[in-house]
Amino acid sequence: EVQLVETGGGLIQPGGSLRLSCAASGFAISNHHMTWVRQAPGKGLEWVSVTESGGRTYDADSVKGRFTISRDNSKNAVFLQMNSVRAEDTAVYYCARGDPWVLGHWGQGTLVTVSS
Amino acid sequence: DIQMTQSPSTLSASVGDRVTITCRASQNINNWLAWFQQKPGKAPKLLIYQASTLEAGVPSRFSGSASGTEFTLTISSLQPDDFATYYCQQYDSYVWTFGQGTKVEVK
Repeated sequence: EVQLVETGGGLIQPGGSLRLSCAASGFAISNHHMTWVRQAPGKGLEWVSVTESGGRTYDADSVKGRFTISRDNSKNAVFLQMNSVRAEDTAVYYCARGDPWVLGHWGQGTLVTVSS
Repeated sequence: DIQMTQSPSTLSASVGDRVTITCRASQNINNWLAWFQQKPGKAPKLLIYQASTLEAGVPSRFSGSASGTEFTLTISSLQPDDFATYYCQQYDSYVWTFGQGTKVEVK
């Protein structure tokens, strides 16, 4: 069974850093593009970043230069390093698997709250 | 970036109704469009991809169609489990973008 479990969310002050993790099971992430999507409270979905199976990464303009997506195929995990966070980064962050680009499997999400 | 304009933002309907949600892309996306259903506190669930292909396990009352840059999600006979928020998403080119969402509520 495909499972994605996000961890690492929490309360963080503006300007701080946080690292989110997405542990995958039931499949090998090395064969898939992996994506982060976020959802601010009461708002819609926003694509954040993708790490393609071949290693290329792409980011939304809103996080470019501040967030970095990475993967560790040996640990079957994907990460999102969040630096210089802002209040508008407050959201539930979801990890999703691409098949190859269709987001067919999602984790349950982890909440990041940016506040002083 | 490709903009996805989804309408309506809210839709009031009754069980058994035929429901239609529309999404318009700002440019050609080659039918690389998906539809998701989301319920409060839950992750989105894939319903349809490539504009009209039904994801495995999704009831056949859901269907998708395309005409140029306009895309439609139809629920042929609304069921109690279908009250939720629906999103379209283009995956033609990065940056991937979602529509604003359509909340289907009880009339």
